[in-house]
Amino acid sequence: RKEVEQDPGPFNVPEGATVAFNCTYSNSASQSFFWYRQDCRKEPKLLMSVYSSGNEDGRFTAQLNRASQYISLLIRDSKLSDSATYLCGRNTGFQKLVFGTGTRLLVSP
Amino acid sequence: NAGVTQTPKFQVLKTGQSMTLQCAQDMNHEYMSWYRQDPGMGLRLIHYSVGAGITDQGEVPNGYNVSRSTTEDFPLRLLSAAPSQTSVYFCASNARGGTDTQYFGPGTRLTVL
Repeated sequence: RKEVEQDPGPFNVPEGATVAFNCTYSNSASQSFFWYRQDCRKEPKLLMSVYSSGNEDGRFTAQLNRASQYISLLIRDSKLSDSATYLCGRNTGFQKLVFGTGTRLLVSP
Repeated sequence: NAGVTQTPKFQVLKTGQSMTLQCAQDMNHEYMSWYRQDPGMGLRLIHYSVGAGITDQGEVPNGYNVSRSTTEDFPLRLLSAAPSQTSVYFCASNARGGTDTQYFGPGTRLTVL
C-alpha cells in the first residue's frame, strides 16, 4: 500500500461549486501534512500546510483526521483558475516529503 | 532572487549515455532534493541533501548520483541512462527546520531512447 493515496480524478465541477478531496496516509507517526498545487507542465507550489486544528485560507480549508488517517481539502466557490492537480503529502521530518499521486480538478464555466 | 533554477529544460538521451542535470538555488537554503515525477506515480524522492557535503538516498536512488560541494548547487548525475529513467525531474530546496515549504525548480523533461 502506498504511504499516501489520492483519488486521481478528474473532478469536474462548475464554477461556483464546492469540491472536496480526501487523501489517506498509512504511517500514523507522520509529523505534518500539506497540500501542493501543480499546474499543467509546471512545478508544484505549496498551497497550505495542514494543522491538527484545521486551517483556512480564503476559499480553501484543510482538515486533518488523525484517528481515520486522512487529510482533506475543501474549495468553496470554485474558480476557473482553480483547475490544477492537487498533491497531498506528509513531512516525515529531515527533508523527506512523501507525496500522493495528485487529484486533478477541472472547473468549467 | 531567481529561486531554484534547473538546466536543461529538455533533454533526449540514448540508452547508456551519461549526463548531469543542474540545479541551483540562491535562497541560501540548507536542504535540497531531487524528485522524479511519472504518470500515476506522483513525485518520488531520488536523493536529498541537508547541507554542503552531506547527501542521502531517497526512495528511488538507483542509477543516480549526487554531490553537494556548495550550498547553492546540487547536480544530479545519470550514470548510464535507461528508458526507465524517462521522466520529469524536479529539484527543490527549503530552509532548515523540516518546513513543508519546498521551492521547486521548473523541471527537466528527460527522454531516454
